[in-house]
Amino acid sequence: GENVEQHPSTLSVQEGDSAVIKCTYSDSASNYFPWYKQELGKRPQLIIDIRSNVGEKKDQRIAVTLNKTAKHFSLHITETQPEDSAVYFCAASNTGTASKLTFGTGTRLQVTL
Amino acid sequence: EAQVTQNPRYLITVTGKKLTVTCSQNMNHEYMSWYRQDPGLGLRQIYYSMNVEVTDKGDVPEGYKVSRKEKRNFPLILESPSPNQTSLYFCASGPFQRPMEKLFFGSGTQLSVL
Repeated sequence: GENVEQHPSTLSVQEGDSAVIKCTYSDSASNYFPWYKQELGKRPQLIIDIRSNVGEKKDQRIAVTLNKTAKHFSLHITETQPEDSAVYFCAASNTGTASKLTFGTGTRLQVTL
Repeated sequence: EAQVTQNPRYLITVTGKKLTVTCSQNMNHEYMSWYRQDPGLGLRQIYYSMNVEVTDKGDVPEGYKVSRKEKRNFPLILESPSPNQTSLYFCASGPFQRPMEKLFFGSGTQLSVL
């Protein structure tokens, strides 16, 4: 089955700096890669996703890149703000079988003033 | 308002006392699933259902049961809870077409088994 590894487990950046979280996946059949943000005590919320036919996607201050050959995908947050502080999860899925998302282990991002 | 409703939000129980966590969605979704979240392990799928009367095991099904008698409800049953089932549980639902791309999560149930 699919295995998703996520690094780092914790990340501290100063306000205004950029943050990068990286994930690798094992199943070459995976073709959908979402990123979720989870604030303390809340449900995971989808913030951005990318499909395997696209190499990069951007939405304001967040972007995701995908390298299918290396089976890597990354989340980039620019101009970080205190409200970006949360736990971020990457995930992977094969939309053909579509039975689950396989999640990474999460990254706790802290944005300091 | 589209939502996935889980109850209870918090639950403290003792080893061996059967419990049920309810999950209901109002979006007419075919797909429903349960995940547990543990520190350092992310979210792991327990069970899922592609439609009424169709359920299947996820990655960590041991000690859990589910049922899907109605489209809107997908209860999670712990027949004999043990301390290693202390966790944060999330129910999720999605449409028949590409459910993973339109997944709605419930608010979560924090379960403590003493």
